[in-house]
Amino acid sequence: DAGITQSPRHKVTETGTPVTLRCHQTENHRYMYWYRQDPGHGLRLIHYSYGVKDTDKGEVSDGYSVSRSKTEDFLLTLESATSSQTSVYFCAISESIGINEQFFGPGTRLTVL
Amino acid sequence: KNQVEQSPQSLIILEGKNCTLQCNYTVSPFSNLRWYKQDTGRGPVSLTIMTFSENTKSNGRYTATLDADTKQSSLHITASQLSDSASYICVVSPNTDKLIFGTGTRLQVFP
Repeated sequence: DAGITQSPRHKVTETGTPVTLRCHQTENHRYMYWYRQDPGHGLRLIHYSYGVKDTDKGEVSDGYSVSRSKTEDFLLTLESATSSQTSVYFCAISESIGINEQFFGPGTRLTVL
Repeated sequence: KNQVEQSPQSLIILEGKNCTLQCNYTVSPFSNLRWYKQDTGRGPVSLTIMTFSENTKSNGRYTATLDADTKQSSLHITASQLSDSASYICVVSPNTDKLIFGTGTRLQVFP
């Protein structure tokens, strides 16, 4: 998985609780992304980062926030989890934008009861 | 609306047989098209990336084709193996850093 780890790999939580997912890379890539994958949908971009402390929203950012205080770490926070946020979350990294390949992490399966 | 449609949704073939997966897109403008393989419980892994000027690209037993005029792509798998069982995702990039993902074709290879 190209030097990308995600933690936790599985999590079950209750509606209304805060949840933080972590993505850690050892490739020193500038760009990092958070996606969610749901049945019947392609992967959808939640937020992305183009450098330390530089982030921007994707197409499904409502209910999510992110932070990047170091090159290697990108955190995704659900401030108050809802059942609609039950999904598999993937982190991805790339050296630059354009044609450059995005490498994906192993994913985090989150269940919100 | 930018969309990527894949067919079939699922496919079952016998080991050793060939198969072709289809991708139609309505993304505009167009920068590049990618095929990813996603094993169950794992993240997607890139197979090929093609730009507008490329109409075929191979990666081992995987060959992708692109017709930018008709906005169609195909992924051909030759001499399938059990390890080819996975979802194959077509991804199209407009002239930005965004990727638009198809929903994938689920391929099962049986002995």
